[in-house]
Parts: sequence; C-alpha cells; structure tokens
Amino acid sequence: QQQVKQSPQSLIVQKGGISIINCAYENTAFDYFPWYQQFPGKGPALLIAIRPDVSEKKEGRFTISFNKSAKQFSLHIMDSQPGDSATYFCATPPEAQGGSEKLVFGKGTKLTVNP
Amino acid sequence: NAGVTQTPKFRILKIGQSMTLQCAQDMNHNYMYWYRQDPGMGLKLIYYSVGAGITDKGEVPNGYNVSRSTTEDFPLRLELAAPSQTSVYFCASSYSGSGYTFGSGTRLTVV
Repeated sequence: QQQVKQSPQSLIVQKGGISIINCAYENTAFDYFPWYQQFPGKGPALLIAIRPDVSEKKEGRFTISFNKSAKQFSLHIMDSQPGDSATYFCATPPEAQGGSEKLVFGKGTKLTVNP
Repeated sequence: NAGVTQTPKFRILKIGQSMTLQCAQDMNHNYMYWYRQDPGMGLKLIYYSVGAGITDKGEVPNGYNVSRSTTEDFPLRLELAAPSQTSVYFCASSYSGSGYTFGSGTRLTVV
C-alpha cells in the first residue's frame, strides 16, 4: 500500500507569513498530486493539483512545488491569512494502479494563522 | 446542483446494530468512494466504485458493505456495529482524472 508521509502535523504561522507543508511518497504509477483543504465540520475540498510535466504550479497565494527525483511535493501558502486556518491533506494515486482515482491521503496538517 | 449529499449528518448506534449511510451525487460522476476519517489518521478508503454495478474494496473494508445500483447513489452498510467504527465518514465522487468532490460527512458514534 502506497505510503504518503506528510509533515508537519501542525503549523502555526503569523498573518502575512509563509506556510509550507511537505509530502513524500514512495512510488506512483501516475503523476497526479492534489492538495485538499478541510475546514472544521466540513468535507475536504480540492485546493490545487499538479500533474508534473511541470515542477511548479501557482494559483493565487497557493503554490505546489514538485521534486520528482526526491519523490516529494510541497504546498506553499504566501501571505497567509486567518481564513487559511484549516487542515490540509496531500494525496497521491496508489502505487499499483494508475490514474487519479483511489487516492491515498496523508495524515493531514492543521494550520493555524494568528492575526 | 447539490454536489454530493450525505445523510444522516450524525448518528449514535449501539454495539451490534446495523445502519446504512446514504450518499447521492448529481454530477453524473462515474467514480464514487467512501472514506473514514479518524483524528490524526487522515482519510482511509473503505470502498470505491468505478460505475454502476461495480464495486471494490479499499484499505479498510472489514465490517462494511456497499452497493452501486445507479450512477447517483452509493450507500454504505454497517453490519453489527463496533466501537472501532466510531468515525467520521465521507463520501466522494469524481469524474475520471478529475479531483474529488466530498460530501459534508456523517459523524457516527458506536456505544
């Protein structure tokens, strides 16, 4: 079973700072790396995803950086805001099967942005 | 367009009881999933379906069953509830190659 190691488990950042969350995976048959954002009492929602024919993807204040040789990808949140306070999950497809279906999720990072 | 609808939102079961968690999507997605979320453990896949009439086990299927008779519905059945099944359950759907759309979850407590 594919393992996805996400760190840190929790993160506290001051408003305006940069939040960085990292994920490492073992192997994947299909390069698709999404990040999900979950607010308390809600289901996760797709935040941003990358298919690494590129090493970086930026959407507003959110950036995914991907290092294929190191089997790592990270989420950077620039100018972090209190409204970004949530739990963030990375995910990868399983090793044995290709496609973006049947994702394996990291254990999550609880981000708190202080005003 | 409601997305993914889960019912009920909360439920308390006694040990040994059974129940069905309902999930419906109106986006004509072919893939549907059930995950459970436990504190600090992320999301674990219970069962998934690639289309009506086709289901398969995920990482933690024991104690659960599913069926997929239509594209829209993907109910999760708990037989003989146990305390270890206390969790938050999320249903999700996706179109092949796209991101998941999650429901708002069902919080289940088994006492």
